[in-house]
Amino acid sequence: GDSVTQMEGPVTLSEEAFLTINCTYTATGYPSLFWYVQYPGEGLQLLLKATKADDKGSNKGFEATYRKETTSFHLEKGSVQVSDSAVYFCALSTDDYKLSFGAGTTVTVRA
Amino acid sequence: GAGVSQSPSNKVTEKGKDVELRCDPISGHTALYWYRQRLGQGLEFLIYFQGNSAPDKSGLPSDRFSAERTGESVSTLTIQRTQQEDSAVYLCASSLVAPPLHFGNGTRLTVT
Repeated sequence: GDSVTQMEGPVTLSEEAFLTINCTYTATGYPSLFWYVQYPGEGLQLLLKATKADDKGSNKGFEATYRKETTSFHLEKGSVQVSDSAVYFCALSTDDYKLSFGAGTTVTVRA
Repeated sequence: GAGVSQSPSNKVTEKGKDVELRCDPISGHTALYWYRQRLGQGLEFLIYFQGNSAPDKSGLPSDRFSAERTGESVSTLTIQRTQQEDSAVYLCASSLVAPPLHFGNGTRLTVT
């Protein structure tokens, strides 16, 4: 079945550091790929998405590129802020409604 | 507009009791989902409603779990004879038709 594997955390880094969270997937067909973020005390919210190979999703300085050849959708940000501290979830959808999520990666950014 | 609303935000119950969790989706969203998030784990799909179609119940872990939704409005997730392994955050989400999903803040269920 469909599955998502993402980098285990927790990840702790300093402000202005470069962040990468790896995400790879296994899916039948051609999935849509998503990154969701959960800030402390809040619900999950969509961060960015990509629906076909080579698409790049971007939002709030974060980027992820849909790589079909490596079945990956790694999340990157060039210079993190304390406000980026959150739990990040990679997810995919192949049937236009059900999302399969990774286990989540907790990121803590220190001032 | 208002987001997805879930109640209660926290629920502590004794093993063996029944609990009911409520979800108010975003107005106009035809799709509604329930997920479960156990401590330190990813989100597990439980059930999906789309309009008046038959729900996808493939993720419900046992027959102690059931969910209802009337039309495109409120949904309730019921867990009968709760067990300690049911302790988790139960998340509801809605969408217009397909992802992306809009999530509520969840109900944290603790079974003692």
